[in-house]
Amino acid sequence: SYVLTQPPSVSVAPGQTARITCGGNNIGSKSVHWYQQKPGQAPVLVVYDDSDRPSGIPERFSGSNSGNTATLTISRVEAGDEADYYCQVWDSSSDLHWVFGGGTKLTVL
Amino acid sequence: EVQLVESGGGLVQPGGSLRLSCAASGFTFSSYWMSWVRQAPGKGLEWVANIKQDGSEKYYVDSVKGRFTISRDNAKNSLYLQMNSLRAEDTAVYYCASGLEMVYASYWGQGTLVTVSS
Repeated sequence: SYVLTQPPSVSVAPGQTARITCGGNNIGSKSVHWYQQKPGQAPVLVVYDDSDRPSGIPERFSGSNSGNTATLTISRVEAGDEADYYCQVWDSSSDLHWVFGGGTKLTVL
Repeated sequence: EVQLVESGGGLVQPGGSLRLSCAASGFTFSSYWMSWVRQAPGKGLEWVANIKQDGSEKYYVDSVKGRFTISRDNAKNSLYLQMNSLRAEDTAVYYCASGLEMVYASYWGQGTLVTVSS
């Protein structure tokens, strides 16, 4: 089955740019979606279809996808961005419909 | 405002059964794919099951096939997950989620905790 690999943690100072990667075999051929989950809360969709933002999500959140790596970029990081971030794809080649990455803990220093 | 409210979680013994419900409001329920996603304590997200708008297609992760059944009642704007033969490894927060397409979830509920233990 398809596997998505994320770094367990990323740290960044306030005001800087955070980049969270999601690796997968030829992931550039798939659409990647990103969720933010704060402690004790439900996930929230922050980027869909590689680089689109749902209404209400700040422009500071952006995404890209090429080759074997998709990236969620958070510009001008704020303390409130501290959360776990998960990438997800739809694996149409198997019965495992949704595949999630293991998650990345973003720490704002 | 979109709302998804799960209920039905609790403590159950191994081998037991539980039925989760998800009440939807604030959107046209019958137009959305619906899903269950779970998260074991301290772990990541795991997709459990999807169901098409009219209930004609259902998909499950291998680990729950034959034990869990997803269903929906569009007249009641409700989603269900019947869980039988529960195991300790099914212990998790179960989230209800929705999306216009089957490929991702636009909205999520707050989750309901299922604990399988003797």
